[in-house]
Amino acid sequence: GQNIDQPTEMTATEGAIVQINCTYQTSGFNGLFWYQQHAGEAPTFLSYNVLDGLEEKGRFSSFLSRSKGYSYLLLKELQMKDSASYLCALPPTGNFVFGPGTRLSVLP
Amino acid sequence: EPEVTQTPSHQVTQMGQEVILRCVPISNHLYFYWYRQILGQKVEFLVSFYNNEISEKSEIFDDQFSVERPDGSNFTLKIRSTKLEDSAMYFCASSEGQAASSSYEQYFGPGTRLTVT
Repeated sequence: GQNIDQPTEMTATEGAIVQINCTYQTSGFNGLFWYQQHAGEAPTFLSYNVLDGLEEKGRFSSFLSRSKGYSYLLLKELQMKDSASYLCALPPTGNFVFGPGTRLSVLP
Repeated sequence: EPEVTQTPSHQVTQMGQEVILRCVPISNHLYFYWYRQILGQKVEFLVSFYNNEISEKSEIFDDQFSVERPDGSNFTLKIRSTKLEDSAMYFCASSEGQAASSSYEQYFGPGTRLTVT
């Protein structure tokens, strides 16, 4: 089976940097996805890691350590529009298992 | 940019009634999915569909649920006899490939909010 843990809520200030952690246990590993979900909207793709290390994409970066069952999403230069839930997801058999999500609030 | 579309955006139905939720996946995608999200809870996988058959389903996807690809573009989720606990946002998603391929990022539709009264 799969188990995914994320902090429930985080708060940060506009312009700051925030790191959202995800720890997981899984019987099969096919990479790890991060999705962003604004309230009442669909999840949208942010990043995909299948190898250890850091993947950078603009203001967002994602890190993976397979041996530790650990990933984080790093958001730089926070903007108000980054207030959303951030979902860590595993596709052990191709079908996503989502974590509970971390609700990020960006304050002015 | 291609996108997944879903209709209706909001469906209200009475307990015991049948509902059909419709989705049009991205045209060159081969894998289709339904997820649901009960208000305030996490996104949960329901079913995946490939090559005109179910490839995987979760415990949630019981005999009350069925999926169909009636033509070359639509992908539907039917709930035969709705229950109060079926009230949720239902998301359709599609992907070009699946696990271990290079293109299996899943694209989600905007969702259908189902309210069972």
